[in-house]
Amino acid sequence: EPEVTQTPSHQVTQMGQEVILRCVPISNHLYFYWYRQILGQKVEFLVSFYNNEISEKSEIFDDQFSVERPDGSNFTLKIRSTKLEDSAMYFCASRGDRETQYFGPGTRLLVL
Amino acid sequence: KQEVTQIPAALSVPEGENLVLNCSFTDSAIYNLQWFRQDPGKGLTSLLLIQSSQREQTSGRLNASLDKSSGRSTLYIAASQPGDSATYLCAVTWDNYGQNFVFGPGTRLSVLP
Repeated sequence: EPEVTQTPSHQVTQMGQEVILRCVPISNHLYFYWYRQILGQKVEFLVSFYNNEISEKSEIFDDQFSVERPDGSNFTLKIRSTKLEDSAMYFCASRGDRETQYFGPGTRLLVL
Repeated sequence: KQEVTQIPAALSVPEGENLVLNCSFTDSAIYNLQWFRQDPGKGLTSLLLIQSSQREQTSGRLNASLDKSSGRSTLYIAASQPGDSATYLCAVTWDNYGQNFVFGPGTRLSVLP
């Protein structure tokens, strides 16, 4: 069964460093999402992406964040200068014409 | 502000019991609602999607219902098993274009053998 994959599974970085989180959505899906979950808190929407552009973003998704679909398969989330409060589990999701969103296993980011 | 709440926050039941998890949302004009399962430290597994025009969806031992007018959805789990132990998340979208979800805080379920 097709699934969303994410790499790396864990990343530790120093405050102020740039990180890139990678996702491979399900191959025929057209809508892509990033969510995050700070430990012990709700899952929060960050950004949605369709037709090679951002379709919606939340207040969390400020100028430090960017997304890209550099080729036909990858979808990336970049955090330019990480802060301690960026420590969280980051989930990628994708959706096809049917409206179920499928989530990846997540990347656990720890900013020191 | 559009919000999703879930009660109870935690539930512990003996194996074999039928149980109901509750989800409430502000603003009844939802587009769709999805129930997920999350195992500790893991990703989200989609369980059931209910469109705004639907009243319920079923998959195996799971049944999800939707009452838009009262702003509620329930997830019914029949004949619970220890393997059902996980956190169950309700997520709602009000947006028919981007369909980004607003998540509830989840119900942590423990099924005791």
